[in-house]
Amino acid sequence: KAGVTQTPRYLIKTRGQQVTLSCSPISGHRSVSWYQQTPGQGLQFLFEYFSETQRNKGNFPGRFSGRQFSNSRSEMNVSTLELGDSALYLCASSLEGGAATNYGYTFGSGTRLTVV
Amino acid sequence: GEDVEQSLFLSVREGDSSVINCTYTDSSSTYLYWYKQEPGAGLQLLTYIFSNMDMKQDQRLTVLLNKKDKHLSLRIADTQTGDSAIYFCAESLRDSGGYQKVTFGTGTKLQVIP
Repeated sequence: KAGVTQTPRYLIKTRGQQVTLSCSPISGHRSVSWYQQTPGQGLQFLFEYFSETQRNKGNFPGRFSGRQFSNSRSEMNVSTLELGDSALYLCASSLEGGAATNYGYTFGSGTRLTVV
Repeated sequence: GEDVEQSLFLSVREGDSSVINCTYTDSSSTYLYWYKQEPGAGLQLLTYIFSNMDMKQDQRLTVLLNKKDKHLSLRIADTQTGDSAIYFCAESLRDSGGYQKVTFGTGTKLQVIP
């Protein structure tokens, strides 16, 4: 059973550019959540998608957006990149969303974004 | 408080027990989790405990839950160098929209000294 796949693994972008990150959840999982991980702020929740609908959103500016496709694959987009957006972006999938089960989340290995 | 809190760092000798502590935010949390993150990797679910339990043991791992104090701990028996990682506790609770939302702690970096 394939795990959660995130692409690309590493990315270097310039301030002002935009970026799109991709996440393929475990087969059969309908929920995809995105987290930003930085040394200073820890894991910050970005948003959750369930059956192509955004079901929950964290406290991030509108430059951060996402979507989910009918096959449950999800993308997140960051526009007008800032230096502070440099982080590890983690995607997590779960069966029903919110991980309120004993299964919890299954995480991908993340995309390391560096903004220069 | 609004944050799930953990101490930042723990150092133990190989073979000793490690105890990682966590204070969570909401006594109505349904599930509480412990995740492990190794360098360059995502988070891996180690174990969980349902809110109506006080203790759960899973091989070398023991989870203790004190709902009154909103305190969660993870004990690793016979700690090995391969246990060196960052450990995150997390709580799952229902938000105002009726959906379960997971909040992670700040993470505790465990260093195992050979």
